[in-house]
Order: sequence, then structure tokens, then C-alpha cells
Amino acid sequence: QQPVQSPQAVILREGEDAVINCSSSKALYSVHWYRQKHGEAPVFLMILLKGGEQKGHDKISASFNEKKQQSSLYLTASQLSYSGTYFCGTLLLYSSASKIIFGSGTRLSIRP
Amino acid sequence: GAGVSQTPSNKVTEKGKYVELRCDPISGHTALYWYRQSLGQGPEFLIYFQGTGAADDSGLPNDRFFAVRPEGSVSTLKIQRTERGDSAVYLCASSQSNYEQYFGPGTRLTVT
Repeated sequence: QQPVQSPQAVILREGEDAVINCSSSKALYSVHWYRQKHGEAPVFLMILLKGGEQKGHDKISASFNEKKQQSSLYLTASQLSYSGTYFCGTLLLYSSASKIIFGSGTRLSIRP
Repeated sequence: GAGVSQTPSNKVTEKGKYVELRCDPISGHTALYWYRQSLGQGPEFLIYFQGTGAADDSGLPNDRFFAVRPEGSVSTLKIQRTERGDSAVYLCASSQSNYEQYFGPGTRLTVT
């Protein structure tokens, strides 16, 4: 049931773009994106609720393809502050409770 | 305002001992979640409370783990007869809805 994230790790130079993918083998109700810096708690970035929904947050945006059961996170013109591990969390469509299952993360390193 | 707090921040215990981990959620948040995070992995769902009741405890690994939330606010995760494999960071999160979860800083548990 755990969503699969790809790539596992990315190294960028400041200003470059990145895409992080999250896919599920089961139908999804929602996809949640979090960022966690080393030694800190995960911080909420955004949630996508509907198929085809896209959201943006500064230069970070995401899309949700309900049919393909996948979501992508787009980081544009990356800044040093974007470094960290990005987790997607999925809430299954037929889940009886708010049980979010997190992927194993994508580690993003930004170099000056 | 005050975020989610967890105590202790670090706990070292001997194999076989009993431990209690405490979580103070954001005031007014009815939903409370416990997760366990091992190095290089995403948060692993343990249990979810809606008010005082455990709405979903399917993530608790075995009957050595138990959690309570008697007054619908503070929650305590209890682990009996600790094993070395229980070593991890235990994260608590609270929420007003199925949407954004606010995570606490975690308790790092080390079983020697």
C-alpha cells in the first residue's frame, strides 16, 4: 500500500528544476506532500484532493492524476532552502479512516 | 501559537523496560496521529485518534504497543517490554481535518 516515490535522491545546482513522482497501486482520495529537513519534523506543503487538481506554493507546485493514481511535485528555480527530504502521503479512496501512508521519501540536495 | 509538543525529546532505555511517550497536540485539534520513523524512511502510521477514541489502530506492530487519549487532548504512547527493534523517532501529529497535519519534533527512542 505504500506509495512509490522516484527518484530516491536528487542533486541540483541552485536555480535548476526538479520533479518528484509518487505513484500508488490503489485508487487514491488525496495526496499530501511534506518536506522534512534533517533532524526536524515534517512540514506540510500541500494537499491535492481531486483528480487533475494542481496547486502551487511559491515556486513549488504539484499535480494529481487520479486515473494514473499518481502525483508529481515540481520545484522550479530551486533555492538552497528547498533542500530536504520530500514525502508524499496517500489517503486511499475507500479507507474508513484518515490513515495517510507515506512513501520512503526523495532526498533533495541543492548546491550553490 | 504553540505547536505540537512531545516529551521527552530523547529516551534511552534498556531492553525489556517500559516507556511512555507524551504528545501535546495543538489546542482544539480533534485528530491526533502517532507515527514511527526509522532512518531513511517515511513516517510509518501507528494509530489515529478522533477525540478520545482510537479510530484506527491498525498500524500498531503488536500488543506491546498501546496508546491512550483519555480527555481528547494529550496522548501517551506506551511500549511494554521494549526491544532493540523499537528504536526509532516517534512522531506525533495533530489536525483539524483530513487535511494538513502538524507534526511535533518527535521523541528519539533508543533501546540498548
